Amino acid sequence: GAGVSQTPSNKVTEKGKYVELRCDPISGHTALYWYRQSLGQGPEFLIYFQGTGAADDSGLPNDRFFAVRPEGSVSTLKIQRTERGDSAVYLCASSAQLGQNTEAFFGQGTRLTVV
Amino acid sequence: GQQVMQIPQYQHVQEGEDFTTYCNSSTTLSNIQWYKQRPGGHPVFLIQLVKSGEVKKQKRLTFQFGEAKKNSSLHITATQTTDVGTYFCAGPGSGYALNFGKGTSLLVTP
Repeated sequence: GAGVSQTPSNKVTEKGKYVELRCDPISGHTALYWYRQSLGQGPEFLIYFQGTGAADDSGLPNDRFFAVRPEGSVSTLKIQRTERGDSAVYLCASSAQLGQNTEAFFGQGTRLTVV
Repeated sequence: GQQVMQIPQYQHVQEGEDFTTYCNSSTTLSNIQWYKQRPGGHPVFLIQLVKSGEVKKQKRLTFQFGEAKKNSSLHITATQTTDVGTYFCAGPGSGYALNFGKGTSLLVTP
């Protein structure tokens, strides 16, 4: 596709439920990142992938959060036993390669609301 | 990651006035990136600075990286209503991730 695509754009779920958020990166981009953005804050790093492997998951807040990228393209962020504090916009970004001097292209995000 | 602090948090200007946002780090940054996020939108890459004392211009936007590589600024000359949004600086974070500041929200009234 032309840009990074995230689905759904909005998700409302009840506390304790399981949710999956999907990210389809720019075709050919090997690096994929997940960030979380709360109101009035900058994006906060969660995890990034180089190809199929999670290269760094140090930003995941706890073991309720997990992400996969089985074929090196689409990624899914999974949140178990959701809590109200998980409510935020979840942003996915991709870049042509992994590196400090590369531009990240962000998707529109998934707004998760836990009620 | 290396923390980056941005000031001011908010700025409200009349169209045509200039605007500057500052980004500061307590440690030396290998590089710094700037992003713009329109209301309801997603962050969009503006520029990356790598060299000490570097200055880059994009039309009415001027980006600077300090000599010590601990601070950076974004200056907009003669703001327009299209400049409305939140401007984020981002330094290197964990591994190859970005460590974003809290951003400066710019409001421009015609």
